[in-house]
Amino acid sequence: AQKVTQVQTEISVVEKEDVTLDCVYETRDTTYYLFWYKQPPSGELVFLIRRNSFDEQNEISGRYSWNFQKSTSSFNFTITASQVVDSAVYFCALRGGGAGGTSYGKLTFGQGTILTVHP
Amino acid sequence: DTGVSQDPRHKITKRGQNVTFRCDPISEHNRLYWYRQTLGQGPEFLTYFQNEAQLEKSRLLSDRFSAERPKGSFSTLEIQRTEQGDSAMYLCASSDELADGSYNEQFFGPGTRLTVL
Repeated sequence: AQKVTQVQTEISVVEKEDVTLDCVYETRDTTYYLFWYKQPPSGELVFLIRRNSFDEQNEISGRYSWNFQKSTSSFNFTITASQVVDSAVYFCALRGGGAGGTSYGKLTFGQGTILTVHP
Repeated sequence: DTGVSQDPRHKITKRGQNVTFRCDPISEHNRLYWYRQTLGQGPEFLTYFQNEAQLEKSRLLSDRFSAERPKGSFSTLEIQRTEQGDSAMYLCASSDELADGSYNEQFFGPGTRLTVL
């Protein structure tokens, strides 16, 4: 069975603060894929990033950065200099895989972290 | 290129009625997924298709639920004899995947919000 736990249920920050959303996962698959999605008030899930289990390089995209640590089964997401538009629910998700990097279908989501950025 | 579209966006029905939702994936995407999201929770997997073949169904998908993707393009999700517990947001997603798992990001539609009275 696969499980994703998002450590924080809600986070509230003031604009320009840095904020980190923590995600811990469980899987028995040797190959797997991790994702972050953003769900703004409009409701539509927006894909942010995918990370393969065999690629532990961290990634930075503008104000967003992701820290993948296989040893601690964590895939954390940091927003630098947060803005009001970052206010949303953020979901971490996991997808299993098989030999040769084949990927199974379903995503297993965490329960979400509600981020509120105050002006 | 348009994104994933879902119709209707909102549906209010009375308990016991049947409802059907439609999902149009991103053009040429070979995989299509259905998820359900209740308030304050993450989406939960229901089922998915590779082209027209339904490859996996969750235990959440009771006998009252049926999904089809007859021509490998759009998909429908039908719920028969709706119950109040079926009230949720039903999300559709699609992806264009290679056999090695590349490009397996799923892109989501806006969802259909179902309210069962």
